[in-house]
Amino acid sequence: QVQLVQSGAEVKKPGASVKVSCEASGYTFTIYGISWVRQAPGQGLEWMGWITPYNGNTNYVQKLQGRVTMTADTSTTTVYMELRSLRSDDTAVYYCARNYGSAGSVDGFDIWGQGTMVTVSS
Amino acid sequence: DIQLTQSPSFLSASVGDRVTITCRASQGISSYLAWYQQKPGKAPKLLIYTASTLQGGVPSRFSGSGSGTEFTLTISSLQPEDFATYYCQQLNSYPYTFGQGTNLEIK
Repeated sequence: QVQLVQSGAEVKKPGASVKVSCEASGYTFTIYGISWVRQAPGQGLEWMGWITPYNGNTNYVQKLQGRVTMTADTSTTTVYMELRSLRSDDTAVYYCARNYGSAGSVDGFDIWGQGTMVTVSS
Repeated sequence: DIQLTQSPSFLSASVGDRVTITCRASQGISSYLAWYQQKPGKAPKLLIYTASTLQGGVPSRFSGSGSGTEFTLTISSLQPEDFATYYCQQLNSYPYTFGQGTNLEIK
């Protein structure tokens, strides 16, 4: 079935980097973009950006520009999100999600990974 | 950035009730609005996209309406499994922002 499976929980120290993976299966990987969304404990959802696996094009939210990189490996149908210079307020569950839409527009995120908890603590 | 404001932030209701959640955008977003349901410890689930289109497999008691800056999500008759947090999201322009959420609790 169509699914996104993420890597496991991470604990990092402030200033370190984390790389979370998201493996897609059950659909043609290059057709759909993948977004990353994070959720701090007890808080709402925050869109971080997205990548088009077909050509590697990305769009990042301005507040994370320079600290985040999203990449895609078409040979393993896996998308990666790397966040650098981690701070305590980066502690969150990180989700990947498939961008659903037609005619070049994104209408919503229809398939989600299970989430990866990233804890930043000294 | 486009701000989305949901009201109410908290809602207490009973099984069988009809409930409506509103999402207001700080500027016009046409019909590029989605609604999600999230239960504790789980990923969000897409309910509605393009303001009023029901995602496959979502019960027909859920409906959405609106365009421009004001949108609503309605649950016609609450079921026990509907108690959750609901988020709206705009996909009209980057960044794809979410509302702050509406926590729907059992009365």
